[in-house]
Amino acid sequence: SAVISQKPSRDICQRGTSLTIQCQVDSQVTMMFWYRQQPGQSLTLIATANQGSEATYESGFVIDKFPISRPNLTFSTLTVSNMSPEDSSIYLCSVVGGGDEQYFGPGTRLTVT
Amino acid sequence: QKEVEQNSGPLSVPEGAIASLNCTYSDRVSQSFFWYRQYSGKSPELIMSIYSNGDKEDGRFTAQLNKASQYVSLLIRDSQPSDSATYLCAASYNTNAGKSTFGDGTTLTVKP
Repeated sequence: SAVISQKPSRDICQRGTSLTIQCQVDSQVTMMFWYRQQPGQSLTLIATANQGSEATYESGFVIDKFPISRPNLTFSTLTVSNMSPEDSSIYLCSVVGGGDEQYFGPGTRLTVT
Repeated sequence: QKEVEQNSGPLSVPEGAIASLNCTYSDRVSQSFFWYRQYSGKSPELIMSIYSNGDKEDGRFTAQLNKASQYVSLLIRDSQPSDSATYLCAASYNTNAGKSTFGDGTTLTVKP
């Protein structure tokens, strides 16, 4: 399984500002995924990030709000733009294994005040 | 209807008992099924995957899949307090697409 790190681990931000979350994987992977986990809820997929192409967003998520970069096969960033308190969540990046299982980073806990 | 549904819980069992966690899915083309464990404040970690009908055992954990009934379960034998966590059921609908859909989770408490 891959070793995944995320930065920052947590942050408290003011509404209207933006935060960029970084995800680093210790091996080259084709796809990286960004999930959101709101308090007390399960995981919701935001988008799939492929190297060399635009990210694919799930229903309810748009590029203007959650721009994603994927400059190489080991790194991706997710930006949460123009934040509101409703964006307070844990944001997780993940990669997929050979059997479609997910391996998650430690998460970024975001609080918007 | 949610694509992946789990018993809402919470589930409480005494130490040493068998904990039974259940999950149903709505899409018949689902091919791969997973159980993840998530401790409070931590990210989910994979504990079991199952791809074909029947049982799959790994230590104290047994996953069961019945595609005809669209049902997946996880049994934890000899439950320990360290098993106390939220268990997430997930299904992958398109092999090699990598995406999974997650249930809402069942919180298990194992009482000493």
